[in-house]
Amino acid sequence: RKEVEQDPGPFNVPEGATVAFNCTYSNSASQSFFWYRQDCRKEPKLLMSVYSSGNEDGRFTAQLNRASQYISLLIRDSKLSDSATYLCVVNMSPDNFNKFYFGSGTKLNVKP
Amino acid sequence: EAGVTQFPSHSVIEKGQTVTLRCDPISGHDNLYWYRRVMGKEIKFLLHFVKESKQDESGMPNNRFLAERTGGTYSTLKVQPAELEDSGVYFCASSQDSGTSRNLQETQYFGPGTRLLVL
Repeated sequence: RKEVEQDPGPFNVPEGATVAFNCTYSNSASQSFFWYRQDCRKEPKLLMSVYSSGNEDGRFTAQLNRASQYISLLIRDSKLSDSATYLCVVNMSPDNFNKFYFGSGTKLNVKP
Repeated sequence: EAGVTQFPSHSVIEKGQTVTLRCDPISGHDNLYWYRRVMGKEIKFLLHFVKESKQDESGMPNNRFLAERTGGTYSTLKVQPAELEDSGVYFCASSQDSGTSRNLQETQYFGPGTRLLVL
């Protein structure tokens, strides 16, 4: 079983749609959770950290469910510019909180 | 402020040759990381430096890979001799030192990556 699992997609949605991605992680001791965005042939860039209480940044909402060991990302009012691959990132090592584990990414295509 | 930079952007070498990748972290960042993405797989952690010291090298695949960070500034990752399965994108990332308080949400900033192709 992979440490971090995501549905690879692609998710093809029209502009203005709401879309949600989930990600599951294997280690219940994980402490840090992030969503990164990666455009084609570019580096991953931090989209948002995920806090236990859930957090929102504009059109983006992230949620953490520790009991079920999953993280979600909700994008409202999708824009063409949201098209990218969304990477779920989790820290799993109690010895090194900076050691990130990546999911394989969920691809989003927003169509006009 | 300049971001993380990596050199070269692309490298094509033959099996058995040596390649050295370089990463310059964001100025003032004590933490430097190497990651790798091979075709069709997720990005995987290779190792983590705190200043010039190797904090965690549990992800290094084998002894053909050698990472250094002399002086605690830029880092190099050398692959010698390169094998076909080493092909992929090598990312470097950096983050600030949180000091004595452990920041569990430390942001890592990634460089553009080096695309390595071993023929």
